[in-house]
Amino acid sequence: GQNIDQPTEMTATEGAIVQINCTYQTSGFNGLFWYQQHAGEAPTFLSYNVLDGLEEKGRFSSFLSRSKGYSYLLLKELQMKDSASYLCAVRSNTGNQFYFGTGTSLTVIP
Amino acid sequence: DSGVTQTPKHLITATGQRVTLRCSPRSGDLSVYWYQQSLDQGLQFLIQYYNGEERAKGNILERFSAQQFPDLHSELNLSSLELGDSALYFCASSDPGASTDTQYFGPGTRLTVL
Repeated sequence: GQNIDQPTEMTATEGAIVQINCTYQTSGFNGLFWYQQHAGEAPTFLSYNVLDGLEEKGRFSSFLSRSKGYSYLLLKELQMKDSASYLCAVRSNTGNQFYFGTGTSLTVIP
Repeated sequence: DSGVTQTPKHLITATGQRVTLRCSPRSGDLSVYWYQQSLDQGLQFLIQYYNGEERAKGNILERFSAQQFPDLHSELNLSSLELGDSALYFCASSDPGASTDTQYFGPGTRLTVL
């Protein structure tokens, strides 16, 4: 089976750095994805990790440790528009099935 | 814009009715996925099609069915609708030949069952 855990809510200040954690337990692993979703809109792809380590993409970075079943998304220089839900998803190694966490609702305050 | 299109954007119907949601994948993507997102739940995987054939099944009810056509567009059919079926329904597509095989999501169809 699949179990993906993320904090439900986080609040951070504009200009600051925030780290959103995700832990997972899966029967087969073939990559971890982070998506951003604004209320009522489609999830948009942010980052992908399949090997251990840090992937950096502008203000966003994502880290993976497969042995620990752990990932985090790091957002730097927070902007008000970063207020959204951040979804962690694990891809199964059978087919391309994604298992999503329930998401972390991030609120950026001035 | 992800390149995935979904119609209609909004759908309001009554209990017991049947509706069809339509999805066109990104150009070149052979895989299509359907998800349901309710207010109190995360994204729930329903079903995946690859090049016209069912590839994986998630938490899809027997009242729901889907298919992928030769032109790769997909339809999700929801029948005997219940109040609890009110949700956002997302379609996503991916290119299995790509290195990451990332799923890209359409804008969704908001279904309201009254």
